[in-house]
Amino acid sequence: GENVEQHPSTLSVQEGDSAVIKCTYSDSASNYFPWYKQELGKGPQLIIDIRSNVGEKKDQRIAVTLNKTAKHFSLHITETQPEDSAVYFCAASGGSQGNLIFGKGTKLSVKP
Amino acid sequence: EPEVTQTPSHQVTQMGQEVILRCVPISNHLYFYWYRQILGQKVEFLVSFYNNEISEKSEIFDDQFSVERPDGSNFTLKIRSTKLEDSAMYFCASNGQGIYTEKLFFGSGTQLSVL
Repeated sequence: GENVEQHPSTLSVQEGDSAVIKCTYSDSASNYFPWYKQELGKGPQLIIDIRSNVGEKKDQRIAVTLNKTAKHFSLHITETQPEDSAVYFCAASGGSQGNLIFGKGTKLSVKP
Repeated sequence: EPEVTQTPSHQVTQMGQEVILRCVPISNHLYFYWYRQILGQKVEFLVSFYNNEISEKSEIFDDQFSVERPDGSNFTLKIRSTKLEDSAMYFCASNGQGIYTEKLFFGSGTQLSVL
C-alpha cells in the first residue's frame, strides 16, 4: 500500500523567511495530494491540494509542487508570519486505497 | 465555516474498559470517518461510514472497534475493551460526497489515555 514520508519533523524559521516541507510517496497510482495545517487544540484543516495532472499550484503565500517522476511533492510558504506556526501534514490518496495516507507531520515555528 | 465537533476533548480510562467517543459531523455531510494519531506517529485511517454502513476499514479497526450513527446527528466510535496501545488522539471527519479528492473536515480530536 501507499507510504508517505515527510521531512523535516521540525522546522524553525525567522518571520519573513520561506519554509519548505517535503514529502515522498510510494504508490505511483496516487493522484491527489492535500496539505493540512493543525493548530494547537484544533483538528487538521485543508490549506491547499494538488492533483497529479498539475505540477504546481499557488494560493497567495502558499504553493505546492509535484514531481510525479520522482514521487515527491513539497509545500512552500513564503514571507512566513508567526500565525503560520503549526503542524503541517502532507497526504496522498487515489492509489490502491482510496483513503488519505498521511505523513508524520512537520512542526513549523516562525519566530518574530 | 461549519465545524465537526468532538466530545470529550480528553478521556482517561482503565485498560479493559469500554469507551465511546462522540462526534457531530457537519449537518449536510453524508460520509463520516475516524482517524487516529498515536503520539509522534502518523495520522492513520480507521474507518469510513456511509448510509449506516461501514464503507471501508483499516487493519487497525478490529473486532474491538465499532461505529454507529445512533441518531440523525451523532457519529460514535466505541472501543469495547481498551488496551494500552489504544492511547492516541482520535479524529472524526466528514465530507459531503465521500470521494477521495474532496476536502475532509476534521474535528479537534479526543485524546484517549488508557492506563
